[in-house]
Amino acid sequence: DVKVTQSSRYLVKRTGEKVFLECVQDMDHENMFWYRQDPGLGLRLIYFSYDVKMKEKGDIPEGYSVSREKKERFSLILESASTNQTSMYLCASSPSRSLYGYTFGSGTRLTVV
Amino acid sequence: SQQGEEDPQALSIQEGENATMNCSYKTSINNLQWYRQNSGRGLVHLILIRSNEREKHSGRLRVTLDTSKKSSSLLITASRAADTASYFCATDAGFQKLVFGTGTRLLVSP
Repeated sequence: DVKVTQSSRYLVKRTGEKVFLECVQDMDHENMFWYRQDPGLGLRLIYFSYDVKMKEKGDIPEGYSVSREKKERFSLILESASTNQTSMYLCASSPSRSLYGYTFGSGTRLTVV
Repeated sequence: SQQGEEDPQALSIQEGENATMNCSYKTSINNLQWYRQNSGRGLVHLILIRSNEREKHSGRLRVTLDTSKKSSSLLITASRAADTASYFCATDAGFQKLVFGTGTRLLVSP
């Protein structure tokens, strides 16, 4: 069964900590995405990547960075966590052809205290 | 940037009834997709409709697309309690980058 795996389901971090959220897909997809989901705001795109070592800013990249050293892994980094980064983080992947939908991971609920 | 806006924000129906959700968007698109999210989980892809298609079916799902009005609708027929979830439309304006709406919360009561 193909899937996208996010390393943590729940995470609690302190303000100022550097936080790593990991995402791994086993479908050999070229595209990978990081979204955050907040009540009333829906899903907002943070960063995405079309290939290894490539990254593009989404709509809300401030305070985040990403790394894609291998095709199957896309990491989201919170350089210095703040309370306004408390959110549900969703990773997704898709093949390069645009007629396929995304496959999402189960999400990481991050709380910054 | 929020491209899609779903309507209604919340919908409550009885099992066996049909549920209709609407989505409006702002710019030209390559395709429009619908996703389901069970509480606190990731999203699951339901159906994709291309910009040159007007209607598409998948099981109990029927999606329509009106590009002149920049709107789409998702119809779930003969709803079941297991259909209780949030439903999101998402638009692909190019480069496979999806922009999601804020979702419709559907509650199906037994």
